[in-house]
Amino acid sequence: DAGITQSPRYKITETGRQVTLMCHQTWSHSYMFWYRQDLGHGLRLIYYSAAADITDKGEVPDGYVVSRSKTENFPLTLESATRSQTSVYFCASTRGGASNQPQHFGDGTRLSIL
Amino acid sequence: AQTVTQSQPEMSVQEAETVTLSCTYDTSESDYYLFWYKQPPSRQMILVIRQEAYKQQNATENRFSVNFQKAAKSFSLKISDSQLGDAAMYFCAYRSGNQFYFGTGTSLTVIP
Repeated sequence: DAGITQSPRYKITETGRQVTLMCHQTWSHSYMFWYRQDLGHGLRLIYYSAAADITDKGEVPDGYVVSRSKTENFPLTLESATRSQTSVYFCASTRGGASNQPQHFGDGTRLSIL
Repeated sequence: AQTVTQSQPEMSVQEAETVTLSCTYDTSESDYYLFWYKQPPSRQMILVIRQEAYKQQNATENRFSVNFQKAAKSFSLKISDSQLGDAAMYFCAYRSGNQFYFGTGTSLTVIP
């Protein structure tokens, strides 16, 4: 089915480990986003990408790395996970240049860091 | 910087009644778009309704409608004939260009 998919849906890891969250969309949307969702903070933007090979920092980028070698994929990597990065992570995409379009979200990844 | 404020962390409504969720935003832009998303316990983010700032007419989608007051920078969501399935977290969002800003959410409980 077309859409935006995130994997894994749940992940438990230990502090100091590297973990990568995957995001894939089939709409050929130019813009993709990574958010984290924590109680009391709503959605906070980590990184976004306007196109393949173009990425930019959001509100809370520290400790995260992204890449976008292909339009459809936008992985998020925690290079050395910390407990403060325990959260629910959402990937989203939208068409660029069409501002009445909403973001379309994946189902989220619940990440627990022990 | 654009900010979006949802001043009601929690709201409750009796089944079949009407409830209004508040959202205000701060912007100096004239061209922007506003959205309400619903997040049920399944965690999905579901678009409920959208409003273009240049339109004076308030958007409506079935039981969901908005009260858009551009001068006051207010964008409230009205849910009529509330149903148990409306119980969720609701997020207000603002888009200008390709930037999105979200409020912190309102948790809606529907009482049978």
